[in-house]
Amino acid sequence: NFMLTQPHSVSESPGKTVTISCTGSSGSIASNYVQWYQQRPGSVPTTVIYEDNRRPSGVPDRFSGSIDRPSNSASLTISGLKTEDEADYYCQSYTDRVWVFGGGTKLTVL
Amino acid sequence: EVQLVESGGGLVQPGGSLGLSCAASGFTFRSHWMSWVRQAPGKGLEWVANIKYDGSETYYVDSVKGRFTVSKDNAKDSLHLHMISLREEDTAVYYCVRVVGIFCRDSFCYPTWFDPWGQGILVTVAS
Repeated sequence: NFMLTQPHSVSESPGKTVTISCTGSSGSIASNYVQWYQQRPGSVPTTVIYEDNRRPSGVPDRFSGSIDRPSNSASLTISGLKTEDEADYYCQSYTDRVWVFGGGTKLTVL
Repeated sequence: EVQLVESGGGLVQPGGSLGLSCAASGFTFRSHWMSWVRQAPGKGLEWVANIKYDGSETYYVDSVKGRFTVSKDNAKDSLHLHMISLREEDTAVYYCVRVVGIFCRDSFCYPTWFDPWGQGILVTVAS
C-alpha cells in the first residue's frame, strides 16, 4: 500500500526557516498532486499548499511547496517562522482510487 | 460562506451501527465530490471515503470496506455515512470535507484536495 512518510517532529526558532519532508513509499510522488494541511491544537485542518506548490488565498507567501523527484519527496517550507505557525502539518496525495495522508509532523516554534 | 455541519455521533458498542450526517451550505453541493476523513484521539488524519458529485461512484479505505457506506442527497445538500460492525479502532472524530480540484490520469478524473473541513463529530466505540 502506498504510504507517505513524514518526520514525527521538527523544531525551529522564530524568524528562521523550516522544511518538512513527505516521502512516497512507491511509484513517483510527482505523478499526483501533493497537498499540505495545517492543524493547530484544538482546530480543524486547513489547507496551506495544494497541487504541489499553490497557496490558497489568505495563506502568506512564507509557505511554499516543492517536489524533489530524485528523493521521491515533497517538501513544505515555512520561512520567517512565527509562533502562530506551531501546529501539526500533514501531507496528502492520491494513488489508485485511494487518497492518502502522511502521518503528520509536529512543528514547534521555540 | 461554505459550511459543513456534522451530526449523529456518539457512543456505540463494538459490533453496533451508527449513522453520521453532514449538512452543507454556501456552495453548489451537487457539483462537488465529498469525503469523510477521521482522526483517532491523539493520532493523525485518515481518509475514510469519497463520493462522486452525482453519487455514482464511491471509494473507501480498505479498513472500512464492507462496513461503511457513504451516500449523498443532492436534493437536500446532505452527506451521510452509515457504519455497521463498528470496532474500537473506529473511535475517532469524523470530519465531513468538500473535495476540490481536478486531475485526470489514465481516463480517470479525480478531485485532488480537501477543503474546507467541518468541525467534526466524535464517534466512540466502547463497551
